[in-house]
Amino acid sequence: SQELEQSPQSLIVQEGKNLTINCTSSKTLYGLYWYKQKYGEGLIFLMMLQKGGEEKSHEKITAKLDEKKQQSSLHITASQPSHAGIYLCGAARHGSSNTGKLIFGQGTTLQVKP
Amino acid sequence: SAVISQKPSRDICQRGTSLTIQCQVDSQVTMMFWYRQQPGQSLTLIATANQGSEATYESGFVIDKFPISRPNLTFSTLTVSNMSPEDSSIYLCSAGTGREKLFFGSGTQLSVL
Repeated sequence: SQELEQSPQSLIVQEGKNLTINCTSSKTLYGLYWYKQKYGEGLIFLMMLQKGGEEKSHEKITAKLDEKKQQSSLHITASQPSHAGIYLCGAARHGSSNTGKLIFGQGTTLQVKP
Repeated sequence: SAVISQKPSRDICQRGTSLTIQCQVDSQVTMMFWYRQQPGQSLTLIATANQGSEATYESGFVIDKFPISRPNLTFSTLTVSNMSPEDSSIYLCSAGTGREKLFFGSGTQLSVL
């Protein structure tokens, strides 16, 4: 079965620093979603990547999907305390990006020190 | 983008009772799902809520324990039946149209005593 590995599991950075979170799969990714979750709350949609080599940005967050479609990275530039939370990658199951059924990585907890 | 409202946002329940969680989407969507997030863990898909028919359950989840309704394209409910402390989790509704974006509700934090 497909599994997603996120690294690192947790991260503490100083405000203003850049950081990268990785999401790796043993199988080809058909639709890779990035979400942010505040503790005990719902998920906020960040970005979705489908094509090998694709890159998307929103404000100071950039996500990339590698050419082989087995790894994605989420990069935050000039981090702020508002970036703190749990970042989750989710991948579409069953080889289709349109099913809506996702498996998730275990999450990366980010703390940003002022 | 779709806005998904879940009620209640949290509840504390007694063992053996049942709780029904509501999920309302502000626009018509083709897909609705229910996920569970156990303490300290990631999300696990419970089932697909099918409009006008029985839900499709993932391995390890059964209708008797998690009955689901979806009477129309914007509303669904999940019931957690005969609860035990092991059911303490965050339950999340998600919805999408099959075109890139898949949105989640704010979650229902359930504690079972």
